[in-house]
Amino acid sequence: KAGVTQTPRYLIKTRGQQVTLSCSPISGHRSVSWYQQTPGQGLQFLFEYFSETQRNKGNFPGRFSGRQFSNSRSEMNVSTLELGDSALYLCASSFLTDSGETQYFGPGTRLLVL
Amino acid sequence: KQEVTQIPAALSVPEGENLVLNCSFTDSAIYNLQWFRQDPGKGLTSLLLIQSSQREQTSGRLNASLDKSSGRSTLYIAASQPGDSATYLCAVAGNMLTFGGGTRLMVKP
Repeated sequence: KAGVTQTPRYLIKTRGQQVTLSCSPISGHRSVSWYQQTPGQGLQFLFEYFSETQRNKGNFPGRFSGRQFSNSRSEMNVSTLELGDSALYLCASSFLTDSGETQYFGPGTRLLVL
Repeated sequence: KQEVTQIPAALSVPEGENLVLNCSFTDSAIYNLQWFRQDPGKGLTSLLLIQSSQREQTSGRLNASLDKSSGRSTLYIAASQPGDSATYLCAVAGNMLTFGGGTRLMVKP
């Protein structure tokens, strides 16, 4: 099976712009989660979508939003970009099995805000 | 609020050594705990998942233990190799996945 894919892999934006990142989960996985990774704050949970519905949300401002489509692909959007939004954005998909819900991560999108 | 701490933050060992990475968490109401590996500039690779009802899991040279009551997990790596050099992250699953800060491991040939 193909792994989790994220596009684009690298992105440079300027302050005030908005950006949309895309994530395609592993086939059959219905849950998609998004994380932000920065050197200072580490890995932080943004939100999780399951069957097109937001199931959980982390402690991020409303400028961060997401959605999930019927084919489980997900997008996250950041509006009015700030310098502090520069980070590696990771997407993970998961599937519940007898062993638990293992998360499988994509390679990430590295966003630089200038 | 769940807090996850990993000690040490960095570790450098010669090839062949057995080593232990530590992870502690503050809220024992968890579904499971996962250990991940992250190579520089890359995403995360899942290594082991321990359900809250389990005590340990093994995969090859890796063994992870979980003591939910004391809020601790350890990742044991046997006979370390240079290819094991990476950052190791533990993550605790409650309503969301909460990550520790990671342990940066360097295995020297």
